[in-house]
Amino acid sequence: AQTVTQSQPEMSVQEAETVTLSCTYDTSENNYYLFWYKQPPSRQMILVIRQEAYKQQNATENRFSVNFQKAAKSFSLKISDSQLGDTAMYFCAFMPTNAGGTSYGKLTFGQGTILTVHP
Amino acid sequence: DAGVIQSPRHEVTEMGQEVTLRCKPISGHDYLFWYRQTMMRGLELLIYFNNNVPIDDSGMPEDRFSAKMPNASFSTLKIQPSEPRDSAVYFCASRWSEGVETQYFGPGTRLLVL
Repeated sequence: AQTVTQSQPEMSVQEAETVTLSCTYDTSENNYYLFWYKQPPSRQMILVIRQEAYKQQNATENRFSVNFQKAAKSFSLKISDSQLGDTAMYFCAFMPTNAGGTSYGKLTFGQGTILTVHP
Repeated sequence: DAGVIQSPRHEVTEMGQEVTLRCKPISGHDYLFWYRQTMMRGLELLIYFNNNVPIDDSGMPEDRFSAKMPNASFSTLKIQPSEPRDSAVYFCASRWSEGVETQYFGPGTRLLVL
């Protein structure tokens, strides 16, 4: 079974500053994806960024980037130039991709980190 | 292209009543997932379908919960009888197996059982 741990229940940052959210995971799978989802007060789950485990290069999406450390099973999210609209709960998620495996395609979420961006 | 559609967006019912939540996945997606989000347990996968067939329902909490997918464009999650502890936000998500490995979520249904 997979577990995903987000050790920071809450974080805050000033507008325009940079913040990093932590995530660690535990798995015996070799092939998997990692995701960060954002959940604003509207409760909509929005994909922020995705990382394939077989890729060594860290994924980036505009102001969002990850630091993927496969050996350490760590997957942190960096938000640069924070904006008020980034205020939300952020979930780290893991999905194995070994076709035929019992966990194939199933997302396991961390507990979430509430991020508040202050003006 | 429309995203995942869920209805109703909000549901308030009394204990013992039957509740039916509905989901329309993104057209062409062949995987459909039902999740429940609560403060205590976070986001939990309840059940998922592939090509309309239930693949894993190990997350369904008990027999009061049932899910169906009669065709590729519609799924229901039914709770009968409902209990106050079923109060949660229920999300539906879909994914296309030939595309990128990303699940797209609907807006959720907020259920309150009194």
